[in-house]
Amino acid sequence: RKEVEQDPGPFNVPEGATVAFNCTYSNSASQSFFWYRQDCRKEPKLLMSVYSSGNEDGRFTAQLNRASQYISLLIRDSKLSDSATYLCVVIPLSGGYQKVTFGTGTKLQVIP
Amino acid sequence: ETGVTQSPTHLIKTRGQQVTLRCSSQSGHNTVSWYQQALGQGPQFIFQYYREEENGRGNFPPRFSGLQFPNYSSELNVNALELDDSALYLCASSENPGTTPKWYFGAGTRLSVL
Repeated sequence: RKEVEQDPGPFNVPEGATVAFNCTYSNSASQSFFWYRQDCRKEPKLLMSVYSSGNEDGRFTAQLNRASQYISLLIRDSKLSDSATYLCVVIPLSGGYQKVTFGTGTKLQVIP
Repeated sequence: ETGVTQSPTHLIKTRGQQVTLRCSSQSGHNTVSWYQQALGQGPQFIFQYYREEENGRGNFPPRFSGLQFPNYSSELNVNALELDDSALYLCASSENPGTTPKWYFGAGTRLSVL
């Protein structure tokens, strides 16, 4: 089983739609969670952290379910500019070395 | 931008050659990690350096090696290149990953091995 799993998609959604992605992780010791966005042939960029109580940033909502070991990202009112690959990142909390583990990414295509 | 710069942006090598990729971390960031991202895959962790010492390594063979310098810039060296080494190589820096594990990525070096 992969340490971090995502549905690669693509998810093709019309503008204005709401779309959600899930990401499952296998290491129960994982403590820090993030969503990164990666545009085609560009570097990953931090989109948002994921907190235990869930958090929102504008149209984006991230949630964590520790019991089922998954995180989710919800995008409301999708824009064309949201088209990208969304990578989930899982990090075990430690004082030093961190094995940052990425999922394979979920590709989103927002259609006019 | 993230303040993390990588050079060169593109590189073409042949099988068996050696390559050195460079990364300049964001100011004040003492930790750097390197990743390999093959087409259609997520970045795979190669290794991490903290204050010039390697303190973590992923599942990559010894021909992948690195250095971090006193100014926290770093290098990734790959010996005896293989075709499967063709990928985007990313470096990421962090100020204090133990307490604020946020990583900022450079734009990457795209390596093609022919």
